[in-house]
Amino acid sequence: KNQVEQSPQSLIILEGKNCTLQCNYTVSPFSNLRWYKQDTGRGPVSLTIMTFSENTKSNGRYTATLDADTKQSSLHITASQLSDSASYICVVSEGGTGFQKLVFGTGTRLLVSP
Amino acid sequence: NAGVTQTPKFRVLKTGQSMTLLCAQDMNHEYMYWYRQDPGMGLRLIHYSVGEGTTAKGEVPDGYNVSRLKKQNFLLGLESAAPSQTSVYFCASSYSAQGGTQYFGPGTRLLVL
Repeated sequence: KNQVEQSPQSLIILEGKNCTLQCNYTVSPFSNLRWYKQDTGRGPVSLTIMTFSENTKSNGRYTATLDADTKQSSLHITASQLSDSASYICVVSEGGTGFQKLVFGTGTRLLVSP
Repeated sequence: NAGVTQTPKFRVLKTGQSMTLLCAQDMNHEYMYWYRQDPGMGLRLIHYSVGEGTTAKGEVPDGYNVSRLKKQNFLLGLESAAPSQTSVYFCASSYSAQGGTQYFGPGTRLLVL
């Protein structure tokens, strides 16, 4: 069964500190991996999309990595800010022709404390 | 440019009542999607549309119907609401289904008593 697992489930860090969120997946065939940020009470917002050939992609203070061999991804947040408090969702797109199904992780809830 | 909007933001229904959730996008996207988000679970696809006049079932379509009469609108209907349909519903749209970014609406919180 295609699955996306994220760890930790929740995390508290002090403002200004760095953190890394993990994502492991069993989705096959693989098309791409996405990281979304979801603020409380809002819809998810895309941070990065990586294909099989991409190892790393950055979006400001957010850097995502992908190891397609081990089927692992991470999202690194540098110099955290209070506004980074949110859920971060890892999403893997199934490969193949036609409509590509997205498999969503359950998210990591991050709280940045002052 | 409002992106993806959803109406209503919040609704309380009694078991057996019906309602329609409206999603609108102004990005001229071909693809539109309806998801539900429940505690402890990832978003799950209910129905989707690959263009005006077309719809298809997703992962959890039972109890829901959809229509895409206009390219910019995607309606989700509950004919006879059940408590199990209590959830947060998100609409999304994308330019393509092949790796394209999905843009999500703000969500509709539905409580079925």
